[in-house]
Amino acid sequence: DTGVSQDPRHKITKRGQNVTFRCDPISEHNRLYWYRQTLGQGPEFLTYFQNEAQLEKSRLLSDRFSAERPKGSFSTLEIQRTEQGDSAMYLCASSPGGTNTGELFFGEGSRLTVL
Amino acid sequence: DAKTTQPNSMESNEEEPVHLPCNHSTISGTDYIHWYRQLPSQGPEYVIHGLTSNVNNRMASLAIAEDRKSSTLILHRATLRDAAVYYCILYGGANNLFFGTGTRLTVIP
Repeated sequence: DTGVSQDPRHKITKRGQNVTFRCDPISEHNRLYWYRQTLGQGPEFLTYFQNEAQLEKSRLLSDRFSAERPKGSFSTLEIQRTEQGDSAMYLCASSPGGTNTGELFFGEGSRLTVL
Repeated sequence: DAKTTQPNSMESNEEEPVHLPCNHSTISGTDYIHWYRQLPSQGPEYVIHGLTSNVNNRMASLAIAEDRKSSTLILHRATLRDAAVYYCILYGGANNLFFGTGTRLTVIP
């Protein structure tokens, strides 16, 4: 399977714990995106990387959230001191370099439940 | 972000055509119209996009009004596997897509 891969698919944690999600984009895709989706809503943009550079961050990305893409390949999204409001599906997407056509390839997501 | 308006839900009988409408009266001249769909428990999947002319691909057709203030995604023969939430998105070259809440399509066997 050469699609976008996310790990873990499901994570249950207690309030106050830290969690980390990993995303492996499609090989050679320069652009990588993180989105968050809560029940009944569409995905909401969190942040965007071009290679290893984090070029855009949404206001949704509070200080407790940090995303990295150290070598321009895989990315991690860490949430510190989780809160119940962080419960959501965290989606990763990638797209090739060159002209940005708006066609994103999404992974299946990592579902976070904060108790 | 320019916004789109879609019905919350629609139903279709299996093997019949489905027309999913989208209004985007504030579209700018450089905005592309994108459609994505999201099957249950999966990430969104790109369906089709266009600028001014109607577009066809293996998944669907996109009909764009002459004034570009509305568009329609056409599934020629709905199958049970087409049951999903369909998102109409205006894309102006930014580094993100604004999804909205989409139209939930139910396909009746």
